[in-house]
Amino acid sequence: DAGVIQSPRHEVTEMGQEVTLRCKPISGHDYLFWYRQTMMRGLELLIYFNNNVPIDDSGMPEDRFSAKMPNASFSTLKIQPSEPRDSAVYFCASRGLGAFFGQGTRLTVV
Amino acid sequence: ILNVEQSPQSLHVQEGDSTNFTCSFPSSNFYALHWYRWETAKSPEALFVMTLNGDEKKKGRISATLNTKEGYSYLYIKGSQPEDSATYLCALNTGFQKLVFGTGTRLLVSP
Repeated sequence: DAGVIQSPRHEVTEMGQEVTLRCKPISGHDYLFWYRQTMMRGLELLIYFNNNVPIDDSGMPEDRFSAKMPNASFSTLKIQPSEPRDSAVYFCASRGLGAFFGQGTRLTVV
Repeated sequence: ILNVEQSPQSLHVQEGDSTNFTCSFPSSNFYALHWYRWETAKSPEALFVMTLNGDEKKKGRISATLNTKEGYSYLYIKGSQPEDSATYLCALNTGFQKLVFGTGTRLLVSP
């Protein structure tokens, strides 16, 4: 298995644009997490899914953020409209017997 | 692709036992090493950030050591308690503000 795959690896976009981050978890893992990492706040849990169902989205900063998991092999995190303060590294992680993090997407909103 | 490995994958101990686990990383890519405590429905809690070879850090009953030359860090828990049950993650910071995570060690402490 190739591990948790995130795309794109880097994204630079202009303020106001829509951004979609993608994650492919490890097959068979029943939990999927989205995190945001910033220097100021460290790692923050945004939302997590269990068996494709969103369980807790209380970490989603505001209505501009949304996440979906249409099937067990794919999840998206969307920001619309994006703002400069959304600039961060976004990690996706899936969990089975172990915790597996993707390589992250570095988002820069200018 | 950088590989950060943690062992064991899971550990089950009795209350009062002391335990330790390992994080291995490529020593050539080292900038800093982070240890986190992670409970499923929460954000990982930062335990330590270690930067210098030979660093030893302590927080209550939890301590960590770092060997950057050979590429490993140990996390120790003295006198484990049930509330220590969690997954312990290490993450390598290669200096580009992005972390490469290990797969974690899942610790279960039974009363």
